[in-house]
Amino acid sequence: QVLLQESGPGLVKPSQTLSLTCTVSGVSINSGLYYWTWVRHVPGTGLEWIGYIFYSGNSRLNPSLRSRVSMSMAKSQSHFSLRLTSVTAADTAVYFCAGGLVVTPGYYLHYWGQGALVTVSS
Amino acid sequence: ETVLTQSPATLSLSPGERAMFSCRASQDINNYLAWYQQKPGQAPRLLIYDVSNRAAGIPPRFGGSGSGTDFTLTISSLEPEDFAVYYCQQRGSWPLTFGHGTRLEIK
Repeated sequence: QVLLQESGPGLVKPSQTLSLTCTVSGVSINSGLYYWTWVRHVPGTGLEWIGYIFYSGNSRLNPSLRSRVSMSMAKSQSHFSLRLTSVTAADTAVYFCAGGLVVTPGYYLHYWGQGALVTVSS
Repeated sequence: ETVLTQSPATLSLSPGERAMFSCRASQDINNYLAWYQQKPGQAPRLLIYDVSNRAAGIPPRFGGSGSGTDFTLTISSLEPEDFAVYYCQQRGSWPLTFGHGTRLEIK
């Protein structure tokens, strides 16, 4: 059973950096089978794909956030991480980590974490 | 970016009734469309992928159809646990995009 769990601060000040980690169990993040992904749900709007990181270290990011987003992996610790810089109130959202089976083109999201609410406020 | 427009925003039905959700894409997505169900406080769950294929463990009352730019999710006979928000998602072009969702509520 593939499980994902987000962790990180629930409150971030404006202009600072949001950092979240997703711990994966039940599958190796080195397997090359999944795109390890971040999605957010801004209140009152739909879901927004932030991007993915692959076991090779390659990533693909949403152009709308690319200038502020970076992703990394810690393979030995079975986790991957998200950093979002220069946050504003508009970045307040529930952030989900997820895994999507590698297909072409694009992919769907088969496994999800429970989500982490991050509020941007001073 | 491919924009997905879902309608209606809210659907009010009773258990046992048929539910139909629409998702329209701003361009042809080559049938690369999925549907997710999300309940309050939970993560989305993949229901249908590539228009009409049920994901593992999804009951047969859930069905998908459509092609090109117009797609439909149908729940043939609503169960109490089906009342939730439903999202469509495309993988035909980058970035991946989702619709804004349809809320299915009990009438």
